[in-house]
Amino acid sequence: EAQVTQNPRYLITVTGKKLTVTCSQNMNHEYMSWYRQDPGLGLRQIYYSMNVEVTDKGDVPEGYKVSRKEKRNFPLILESPSPNQTSLYFCASKDSSYNSPLHFGNGTRLTVT
Amino acid sequence: SQKIEQNSEALNIQEGKTATLTCNYTNYSPAYLQWYRQDPGRGPVFLLLIRENEKEKRKERLKVTFDTTLKQSLFHITASQPADSATYLCALDRNYGQNFVFGPGTRLSVLP
Repeated sequence: EAQVTQNPRYLITVTGKKLTVTCSQNMNHEYMSWYRQDPGLGLRQIYYSMNVEVTDKGDVPEGYKVSRKEKRNFPLILESPSPNQTSLYFCASKDSSYNSPLHFGNGTRLTVT
Repeated sequence: SQKIEQNSEALNIQEGKTATLTCNYTNYSPAYLQWYRQDPGRGPVFLLLIRENEKEKRKERLKVTFDTTLKQSLFHITASQPADSATYLCALDRNYGQNFVFGPGTRLSVLP
């Protein structure tokens, strides 16, 4: 089954403790992206990657890192999480044709205390 | 400044009626616009895409229009059913599919 898989689904952590949210897709998509979703603000793009070893900042990249060493994986790293990073995070992928749709994972709910 | 808005945070309609959702944007020039459906606790799911040179697109009970002069897209669900209850998001492409901006969503409730 074609899918985008995020792990974990839920994560509670404390301020300053480094964490990684994994994202993997099995559709051989070149493009991958991370979003955060907050009430009243909608989905906001954090980082995106057009292909392996190519990453670019989205609209809200501060406090986040990403890497794209393999085509299928695009982990999101929070080096020193803070409470304002408490949010629902989504990974998405799509193929390289410019008007292809995004395929989303089922989300990671992160709470930073 | 750039902005993308959806007409209302929540919309209640009676089963069998047509639901109309609005997406307005300012200071963007998208090559295309997409609509997604999001159920609670799940990621958004793609529904329809309409290009800047298309006026209307249909898929089963769904219809999307795109007016680049008004900078507006309308999303219609005809003969609505309770199973259509969800949050609907519009999304604009920026930079030829390199990144996207999403509206805040409209939560649709179809009442039996």
